[in-house]
Amino acid sequence: GAVVSQHPSRVICKSGTSVKIECRSLDFQATTMFWYRQFPKQSLMLMATSNEGSKATYEQGVEKDKFLINHASLTLSTLTVTSAHPEDSSFYICSGGRDYRTDTQYFGPGTRLTVL
Amino acid sequence: GENVEQHPSTLSVQEGDSAVIKCTYSDSASNYFPWYKQELGKRPQLIIDIRSNVGEKKDQRIAVTLNKTAKHFSLHITETQPEDSAVYFCAASKEGAQKLVFGQGTRLTINP
Repeated sequence: GAVVSQHPSRVICKSGTSVKIECRSLDFQATTMFWYRQFPKQSLMLMATSNEGSKATYEQGVEKDKFLINHASLTLSTLTVTSAHPEDSSFYICSGGRDYRTDTQYFGPGTRLTVL
Repeated sequence: GENVEQHPSTLSVQEGDSAVIKCTYSDSASNYFPWYKQELGKRPQLIIDIRSNVGEKKDQRIAVTLNKTAKHFSLHITETQPEDSAVYFCAASKEGAQKLVFGQGTRLTINP
């Protein structure tokens, strides 16, 4: 199969602090990973495309200085929410594709971020 | 850019009956259309997908149809069971781009 893990699964932090979320592809190499945000009872909204060895591509309206993405290896991408505020509280999910030609995306289990 | 519309937002079906969820897309260059099932607090799980070179694909009780001319695709679930209750999302992407644009989701409830 194609397994993607995320860590942590849940995090609660104080307003103003930074939080790092890790996304790993366990049994395949992912040149590209994607980061989504999902608010309660809403759809998945793409935040950015994470490219191994290069800068991430952010969607319109997503602040690149607030949501720092690093894709240092073919199996690890990280999302850091800097100076988190209560409105950043959400479910953050990453995904990766085993083969760029097939388009099939496999999602991580998500990280529930709560900012107090 | 691509825009995906999904209907209905909620669907309640009697156990054993069929459920149909419909999506339309705007970008004629899109050619990959997956469907995901998401249970509360869990990750989206791919249940079936279709590419633009076929019009229909079936996997046991689940089928997807695609009409490229009209730019719409549908998910069909037959003989529904309580465990089919979840939120279902359609999505679209262009070949090689991998970037998925999701529909708004459909909350499906199967009544025993």
